[in-house]
Amino acid sequence: SAVISQKPSRDICQRGTSLTIQCQVDSQVTMMFWYRQQPGQSLTLIATANQGSEATYESGFVIDKFPISRPNLTFSTLTVSNLSPEDSSIYLCSAAKTGGETQYFGPGTRLLVL
Amino acid sequence: AQSVTQLDSHVSVSEGTPVLLRCNYSSSYSPSLFWYVQHPNKGLQLLLKYTSAATLVKGINGFEAEFKKSETSFHLTKPSAHMSDAAEYFCVVSALDTGRRALTFGSGTRLQVQP
Repeated sequence: SAVISQKPSRDICQRGTSLTIQCQVDSQVTMMFWYRQQPGQSLTLIATANQGSEATYESGFVIDKFPISRPNLTFSTLTVSNLSPEDSSIYLCSAAKTGGETQYFGPGTRLLVL
Repeated sequence: AQSVTQLDSHVSVSEGTPVLLRCNYSSSYSPSLFWYVQHPNKGLQLLLKYTSAATLVKGINGFEAEFKKSETSFHLTKPSAHMSDAAEYFCVVSALDTGRRALTFGSGTRLQVQP
């Protein structure tokens, strides 16, 4: 398994600003992912964070809005840019060691945009 | 393509009675299936997983699930509910899709446990 931490755990931001979320894994992992969980909803995959190359985004998510970095095998960041109230969600990081089959999740970052 | 349907958005049981959370899936490829639990204000915790070995899978906290290919189901059960089981449960399918493993989450089932 893998233990995943996220910072910040929660934040309140003003519209038009940006928030960067950090995800740290306690061991080297092959795959890292970012998900969004809107209030009362299930999880939706935003993108796969690729080490040393651009992230792979899912349909409906774009790099300008959700830039992602992954400088090494244990760390990734997600930035949510130009915030609007519709971005108020929980953002979760996950990681997997082989083939992305079993994913372990961080505790999530709760974002409220005013 | 793959999809997951959790048949109940809410389930309420009394403490000490059995739990049944229903999940049906569809997948073009041989899937792996998971159940995750999310307690209030917490992240997701893996309960159990099926990856083409034994069809009856035992997980943590007394939960188990049975993979039934003929019924495309992966229902989660527990013989006796505990108050601490109250949480949101997600059924998840993982299958090869365009050369990569993709996770698809069900909509979730909220389990209430009454004293």
